[in-house]
Amino acid sequence: NAGVTQTPKFRVLKTGQSMTLLCAQDMNHEYMYWYRQDPGMGLRLIHYSVGEGTTAKGEVPDGYNVSRLKKQNFLLGLESAAPSQTSVYFCASRTAAGGGEKLFFGSGTQLSVL
Amino acid sequence: AQRVTQPEKLLSVFKGAPVELKCNYSYSGSPELFWYVQYSRQRLQLLLRHISRESIKGFTADLNKGETSFHLKKPFAQEEDSAMYYCALKAFNKFYFGSGTKLNVKP
Repeated sequence: NAGVTQTPKFRVLKTGQSMTLLCAQDMNHEYMYWYRQDPGMGLRLIHYSVGEGTTAKGEVPDGYNVSRLKKQNFLLGLESAAPSQTSVYFCASRTAAGGGEKLFFGSGTQLSVL
Repeated sequence: AQRVTQPEKLLSVFKGAPVELKCNYSYSGSPELFWYVQYSRQRLQLLLRHISRESIKGFTADLNKGETSFHLKKPFAQEEDSAMYYCALKAFNKFYFGSGTKLNVKP
């Protein structure tokens, strides 16, 4: 049981380049989330999705776009990367069923923008 | 607006000493609070949730609505408790995390 899988695990970009981070979950979860983790700031929500075909903004959505075309996948895109987007990115998912407050996290993607 | 505050970035204690990791929240609704933990080279994972009123790995946390706090406590720290701890608040479909406290348990 893979749970939540993030690809890639590491990436180095130059300013202005674009890339897509993939999050895949095999637990049939309805909710999916993208967070960034920065020293001293904890985890901040970028975007989230409550179901296939839906997305919504979180606390820090600027500079990012997302898509949830399939229930199991949640993509995070950086159209024009900036050094301020250097961070560790975490994906998480949870069920909508009763008692489904538990988030399942991926192992993270370490992104450096030079 | 909802906010979660963890005032301590680092907490160092000796093995066997009591531990209290502080968490304060700001939320106008009925709060749902959690503690998540990230051990070295492991994924972030749920430690406990206030609605369960459970004790996990010897840790407990009580929701104090009057003080808007959800402090995490353990009477006797163990070296394997060394990790990063995050307090989280669920508001509608979103989870808000504090900045985290690194717990270092010294032998």
